[in-house]
Amino acid sequence: KAGVTQTPRYLIKTRGQQVTLSCSPISGHRSVSWYQQTPGQGLQFLFEYFSETQRNKGNFPGRFSGRQFSNSRSEMNVSTLELGDSALYLCASSPLDRSSGNTIYFGEGSWLTVV
Amino acid sequence: DAKTTQPTSMDCAEGRAANLPCNHSTISGNEYVYWYRQIHSQGPQYIIHGLKNNETNEMASLIITEDRKSSTLILPHATLRDTAVYYCIVRVAVRSNDYKLSFGAGTTVTVRA
Repeated sequence: KAGVTQTPRYLIKTRGQQVTLSCSPISGHRSVSWYQQTPGQGLQFLFEYFSETQRNKGNFPGRFSGRQFSNSRSEMNVSTLELGDSALYLCASSPLDRSSGNTIYFGEGSWLTVV
Repeated sequence: DAKTTQPTSMDCAEGRAANLPCNHSTISGNEYVYWYRQIHSQGPQYIIHGLKNNETNEMASLIITEDRKSSTLILPHATLRDTAVYYCIVRVAVRSNDYKLSFGAGTTVTVRA
């Protein structure tokens, strides 16, 4: 079974631009969540989607948004990029059902550098 | 979620067993112990999880004390590729709204030749 796939793996953007990151969950997984990882703050939860609905959001400004499609694939968007948005953005998926449990599996991440 | 306490760092000799401790004294009865590791520049990798019985898979073994207040992750024959940050997390295993992982600082494990 293929793992969580994130694209692109690396990208460089300029301050003020926007960026869209994509995530394909493990087949059959309906929950997709996003995390930001920086050296100073560690791994922080951004938001989680289940059946195309955002169920909860971490403590990030409104510039960070996401969505989930009917095939469970997800995208996250960051608008008006700031230098501090430079980070590793991680997508994770989980089956969230009683038979499979809800172990969360991560992708390799998208490295975003804002210059 | 219950909080966990892990040592900041530890060294291990290649080929030897690596024993990673984790304290979770406030763990609830329905919370499992999960272990992840993160190798530099990659996403966290799921290793193993357990409730109260010891668990073993192809990657590691998990030993949970009888009172469940602490656990040990064992890498039986550490290799240089096991050098990573290891995270111990407690959470409910099967609950449809338990979607978030709370990562602490973890233990930086360095395997030396």
